[in-house]
Amino acid sequence: GENVEQHPSTLSVQEGDSAVIKCTYSDSASNYFPWYKQELGKRPQLIIDIRSNVGEKKDQRIAVTLNKTAKHFSLHITETQPEDSAVYFCAATLSGNTPLVFGKGTRLSVIA
Amino acid sequence: DAGVIQSPRHEVTEMGQEVTLRCKPISGHDYLFWYRQTMMRGLELLIYFNNNVPIDDSGMPEDRFSAKMPNASFSTLKIQPSEPRDSAVYFCASSSQGVKPQHFGDGTRLSIL
Repeated sequence: GENVEQHPSTLSVQEGDSAVIKCTYSDSASNYFPWYKQELGKRPQLIIDIRSNVGEKKDQRIAVTLNKTAKHFSLHITETQPEDSAVYFCAATLSGNTPLVFGKGTRLSVIA
Repeated sequence: DAGVIQSPRHEVTEMGQEVTLRCKPISGHDYLFWYRQTMMRGLELLIYFNNNVPIDDSGMPEDRFSAKMPNASFSTLKIQPSEPRDSAVYFCASSSQGVKPQHFGDGTRLSIL
């Protein structure tokens, strides 16, 4: 089955700097890759997703890139703000009727 | 859209008691997932349903755990008897077939004393 590795487990950046979180997956058939943000005591919320027919997707300060050959995808947050501090989870799956497989999460701290 | 609704939000009970967690998925979603989240193990998929039918329950840790989905708008996760190591946050999520992503409920924070 699918296995998703996520790095780093913790990340601290200065406000205004960029943050990058990387994930690798094992199943080359996976074609849907969402990213979730979980604030302390809250539910995971989807912030961006990408499908395998796209190499990059942006939404304001957030972007995701996908390299299907290398089987890895990354989350990029630019101009970080204190409210970006949270745990971020990547996931992978075949879109359709298989469940998401989540990475272990990255705790991002943005220092003002 | 009300989102995925879980109840209760918090549950504190004594070891050995029965615990029932409830979930109402987003209307029209035909997949429902139950997850457990702990610091040590992260987000673990316990079981998921498609059109009210359990598809994969291999993540259910023990026979003490059971889940049902009697109709398209309601699911329960039951732990009987409960143990302190069951303490965790339990999330329910739903999605539409062929279309991701999953939408999570606010979770139930369960503490077994």
